[in-house]
Amino acid sequence: DTEVTQTPKHLVMGMTNKKSLKCEQHMGHRAMYWYKQKAKKPPELMFVYSYEKLSINESVPSRFSPECPNSSLLNLHLHALQPEDSALYLCASSEGRSGNTIYFGEGSWLTVV
Amino acid sequence: AQSVTQLGSHVSVSEGALVLLRCNYSSSVPPYLFWYVQYPNQGLQLLLKYTSAATLVKGINGFEAEFKKSETSFHLTKPSAHMSDAAEYFCAVRAGGGYQKVTFGIGTKLQVIP
Repeated sequence: DTEVTQTPKHLVMGMTNKKSLKCEQHMGHRAMYWYKQKAKKPPELMFVYSYEKLSINESVPSRFSPECPNSSLLNLHLHALQPEDSALYLCASSEGRSGNTIYFGEGSWLTVV
Repeated sequence: AQSVTQLGSHVSVSEGALVLLRCNYSSSVPPYLFWYVQYPNQGLQLLLKYTSAATLVKGINGFEAEFKKSETSFHLTKPSAHMSDAAEYFCAVRAGGGYQKVTFGIGTKLQVIP
């Protein structure tokens, strides 16, 4: 069962709000990722967690704060976002080695108003 | 550094015709290559991947791709297009040696004409 579950599917938030996106996988994968995808663009890597430690941060603004509470869960905390942050946020996971597939969730559509 | 170039942001084919989506890669180390498909309002689904085991890779839904090192290419093909193939297709590269970053191409939108 290759499944990455993301909640919520849709989120509308104001620029002063604090919200979180959640991601869960039960495939035993030790690497988890957050990607951001704008309309008609490819996904862009934001963060990588490997064995529950942040291993890659692609110079993402601090208004995005990732958290990996355990090997199955990955959160993305959102605070003081801007309208240009509106996008599809994709969570993914993999076994961690280079050749292994990255499995994506269905994404969370975020609209910042 | 690693990158992929997808030639043609939009490709139109007739139903039943050959599908050919082009991808060229650049990588300083032997790469791992992937094709993903994204249907409207959905996440990405893996079609197939190349990890050096075989140069001709078969994937789901009748798609296949051939790794050609001399041409640094990994083109995606399907002999006969189906209406359900209409989607966005992304080529992606991941450098070997434990490096976790995957770089995506700009995507190719496939339109299938009845």
